[in-house]
Amino acid sequence: GEDVEQSLFLSVREGDSSVINCTYTDSSSTYLYWYKQEPGAGLQLLTYIFSNMDMKQDQRLTVLLNKKDKHLSLRIADTQTGDSAIYFCAERSNTGKLIFGQGTTLQVKP
Amino acid sequence: DGGITQSPKYLFRKEGQNVTLSCEQNLNHDAMYWYRQDPGQGLRLIYYSQIVNDFQKGDIAEGYSVSREKKESFPLTVTSAQKNPTAFYLCASSPPPGTYNEQFFGPGTRLTVL
Repeated sequence: GEDVEQSLFLSVREGDSSVINCTYTDSSSTYLYWYKQEPGAGLQLLTYIFSNMDMKQDQRLTVLLNKKDKHLSLRIADTQTGDSAIYFCAERSNTGKLIFGQGTTLQVKP
Repeated sequence: DGGITQSPKYLFRKEGQNVTLSCEQNLNHDAMYWYRQDPGQGLRLIYYSQIVNDFQKGDIAEGYSVSREKKESFPLTVTSAQKNPTAFYLCASSPPPGTYNEQFFGPGTRLTVL
């Protein structure tokens, strides 16, 4: 069945780059997403990538997609304390629903 | 301002009581969703609706019920049949298929059973 996996925790120092990884199982996914959740709040879409793309860059964010290995990553350059949050990877299934990973908690140390 | 609102932000319920969580959107979106979030777990889909007067069960629908009488509103009732209802509940909506189908989320309701 459809499944999305992420590591649960990542800790980095302020100013370093953060890389959050995600694997998915549905090879027919058309879009893959990264959402950010701050404590006690809803989810905000950070960025998305279409399945025929390998890379997408948006300011400090870089998304890499390896469709052969079904691997997605989010790189945050120059990580700031305000980037501390939970980051969710999601794939769009062929039914149109989104399948979310467990979320990666990013801790940024000053 | 367009967006999704959920109320209340915090809700306390005694065991055996039903409780209804509100979700309203003014984005003119056709599709609406309810998710449950537990610590260390991703979002699990409870129910979704792609059009008024129609809805489908998600992955964990047991103990929950919904209605979709208006496009703007998709209330979720947590019934006494739900064995472990304490969780953070998130409502979302999305525009029609054919776009990148971003889901817009509300701020969530934290339900605690006493």
